Amino acid sequence: EVLLLESGGGLAQPGGSLRLSCVASGFTFNSHSMSWVRQPPGKGLEWVSYVADSGHGADYSDAVRGRFTISRDNSRNTLFLQMNDLRVDDTAVYYCAKATSIGQSIYTWGQGTLVVVS
Amino acid sequence: QMTQSPSSLSASVGDRVTITCRASQDIISALVWYQQKPGKAPHVLVSGASRLESGVPSRFSGSGSGTEYTLTITSLQADDFATYYCQQYYTVPSFGQGTRVEVE
Repeated sequence: EVLLLESGGGLAQPGGSLRLSCVASGFTFNSHSMSWVRQPPGKGLEWVSYVADSGHGADYSDAVRGRFTISRDNSRNTLFLQMNDLRVDDTAVYYCAKATSIGQSIYTWGQGTLVVVS
Repeated sequence: QMTQSPSSLSASVGDRVTITCRASQDIISALVWYQQKPGKAPHVLVSGASRLESGVPSRFSGSGSGTEYTLTITSLQADDFATYYCQQYYTVPSFGQGTRVEVE
């Protein structure tokens, strides 16, 4: 069974930083690209960032580019999202999401971690 | 960019429900439908526009091509009251705004 367990969310002040983690199990982590997707309270889903299976290659939404950094540690089956210069509109549940084995962004999701910027 | 409609609908058990997504360009059927219940993560119902995921009831179906796609629930069940999202994966992933299916 695929399990994605996010942590690191919480309360941050505007301009502050947080680092999210996602520990993966139940699949071959280094064979799958991974993404972060967020959902503001009561609103829809927004893709945030992607990292290739090898860790070499990443992309970001315009909303977070230059402030957020995605990375992964394949030896620890862990995905990260370093969030700097946080803004009030970054408030959301952040989901870790696994792509398919052929790199298609058809996601399997973690349970999410809530980030509140206030 | 994905435009999903309606944003919400009211329906009763047994009703046929149709949700539509329109893409801003041809996405070559690279479209997935998710169901999300309150407080839970989304999960896949249909991928590749029309391929039903394992374990998903056959009352769900997806169709479409090019820029127009549809999710149909042929006979709505109590467990189906939820929010549904489309997402294209032809380019950088983008989601529709969601459709909330509520009890009439």
